[in-house]
This record gives sequence, structure tokens and C-alpha cells, in this order.
Amino acid sequence: DAGVTQSPTHLIKTRGQQVTLRCSPISGHKSVSWYQQVLGQGPQFIFQYYEKEERGRGNFPDRFSARQFPNYSSELNVNALLLGDSALYLCASSRDTFQYEQYFGPGTRLTVT
Amino acid sequence: AQSVSQHNHHVILSEAASLELGCNYSYGGTVNLFWYVQYPGQHLQLLLKYFSGDPLVKGIKGFEAEFIKSKFSFNLRKPSVQWSDTAEYFCAVNAQGAGSYQLTFGKGTKLSVIP
Repeated sequence: DAGVTQSPTHLIKTRGQQVTLRCSPISGHKSVSWYQQVLGQGPQFIFQYYEKEERGRGNFPDRFSARQFPNYSSELNVNALLLGDSALYLCASSRDTFQYEQYFGPGTRLTVT
Repeated sequence: AQSVSQHNHHVILSEAASLELGCNYSYGGTVNLFWYVQYPGQHLQLLLKYFSGDPLVKGIKGFEAEFIKSKFSFNLRKPSVQWSDTAEYFCAVNAQGAGSYQLTFGKGTKLSVIP
């Protein structure tokens, strides 16, 4: 089975711009979570979606939003980008919200200049 | 809210040395515990997990971890490391109940194994 896929791999944006990151979960997985990993830190939870509904949200500003589609893929949107948003954005999928074993994708490296 | 502490930022070992990486969490309720590994240039991979039952869990590549509830700890061990174990290791916790679906990660421990 294919693993979690994310696109794009790398992205360079300017302060104030908006960005959309995409994630396709493992086939059969209905839950998608998003994490931000800045250099030297562990991943930090942003959102979890299950069956197209937001089930959890981390301590991130409203500039961050996400959605999940009927095919369980997901998008993460970040508006009004700041330099501090530069990070690796990770997507993880799991079978459902009660199966906490999450499988991570390779991430999207976002650089804000 | 739960938090995770990993005691060592960078550990350097020679091949065949024994490894123990510390992990402590703060949460008073029931938890699920994980160790993830990130090899250079690769994505996060699950090394082992604890949900319930035997507090000594075995994972891939000869790794094991012991859950000590009284100490809020979940330390990772390996009797004899190899050069290929060079990677960054992350401890993570999920707090059961109360709608908590997130994984909370520690800051990670970078392991360098010298041939």
C-alpha cells in the first residue's frame, strides 16, 4: 500500500501570502492530522479531521485552517504568512479517531521570506 | 494539557554500546505512548507503541521501551546500537478521553552512532 503522500515537497512564499498544502492518507484511513515541525523541535499538533469534521485543534491562530474531502484527503491553508510559519508541515493518517497509531507523510517544507 | 520531556538533546555512542533515552510526560489520566524515529532524509516512522497491558513493549529493530506509570516515564532502550541507528528519536503521548485526539511530542533526541 502507498503511504501518506503530501504535496508540494517544498514551497517558498513571501510574507503576507497564502498557502495551501495537500495530503492524501493511506487507503482505508479516515482520519487526517496536521502537525508543524520547526527546526530543532518535535512536531506540534495543528488539526485533526475525521469523516470531514474537525475533531481537534491545537494552539494555532485562526490564520490556520483545514478541511477534509469525501475521499479523506485534506488541505491545510495558512493565510497572511509570517516568517515564523517557516517549518516542515506533516500530515498523518490513522484508521479512525480511536486508533491513535498515526502514520506520517514526508512533509512539505515551507519557507517564508 | 499534556507535555513530554526528553532529557537528552544529543547522544553520541560507539557501535555495540547500550542505549537508553529518557522520556517523561505530564498527564494524570490514561495515556497512549509512542516512540517515533526519523532517519536522515526520511519521514517519521513508528518505532513502538504502548496502549495497555505489559508495560515492557518491543518494537522494530531490537528496540524496547518500558512504561513506568508511577514515574510517568516511557524510556527507550536498545542493548547494542548500530551505525544505522543514527537518527532522531521522538517520544509522543496521547491522552485518552476528553476528546483528545492529538499526539504531543517531545523535542527529540538526536542519536549519533560512531562506527
